[in-house]
Amino acid sequence: AQSVAQPEDQVNVAEGNPLTVKCTYSVSGNPYLFWYVQYPNRGLQFLLKYITGDNLVKGSYGFEAEFNKSQTSFHLKKPSALVSDSALYFCAVTPTGFQKLVFGTGTRLLVSP
Amino acid sequence: ETGVTQTPRHLVMGMTNKKSLKCEQHLGHNAMYWYKQSAKKPLELMFVYSLEERVENNSVPSRFSPECPNSSHLFLHLHTLQPEDSALYLCASSQDRTESPYEQYFGPGTRLTVT
Repeated sequence: AQSVAQPEDQVNVAEGNPLTVKCTYSVSGNPYLFWYVQYPNRGLQFLLKYITGDNLVKGSYGFEAEFNKSQTSFHLKKPSALVSDSALYFCAVTPTGFQKLVFGTGTRLLVSP
Repeated sequence: ETGVTQTPRHLVMGMTNKKSLKCEQHLGHNAMYWYKQSAKKPLELMFVYSLEERVENNSVPSRFSPECPNSSHLFLHLHTLQPEDSALYLCASSQDRTESPYEQYFGPGTRLTVT
């Protein structure tokens, strides 16, 4: 069965500094990987996805994620954090061609001014 | 976020009440989903409808009953709920195609409190 681990409940970073939100996964076969963001009182918003090809995926709002097959990781990164990036971030995985997404528990990102 | 709408946004109900949550998507998608979001837990997939047919039922108690009358509308009928059912219920939609990946678009959710 597939699973996703987000080992940090919260990540704190100062505005302007780089940020990383960690995600590791377990799935049989080739994975499709996703990052979503949730702002207070809102639904989840799609940020980016990895399908195949280049291991570095670029997404919305300046975020990017790096797929590492050997480490089964898909960490979310941004070179320079903004206070407005403060939100809850979810990593999700699904095996190729299957519609059932499995989500992690989420990581709260707090960017301080 | 206006692509997927959910009503009501907040709902308080007693354990003996019957209520329904509504979801509508304006994106032309053919798959719709219900999720339950509780604090400190992963999103729990409850139901999946593809082309108006239920294709996934994740061992959800029968006090939750989904309905998908067409590809744009999804309901979740609630009856005799328990306090532990209090959560944020999220609806999502996507274009279901097995030959390529898709992303799901989420509504803002209904915050349900069972008293």
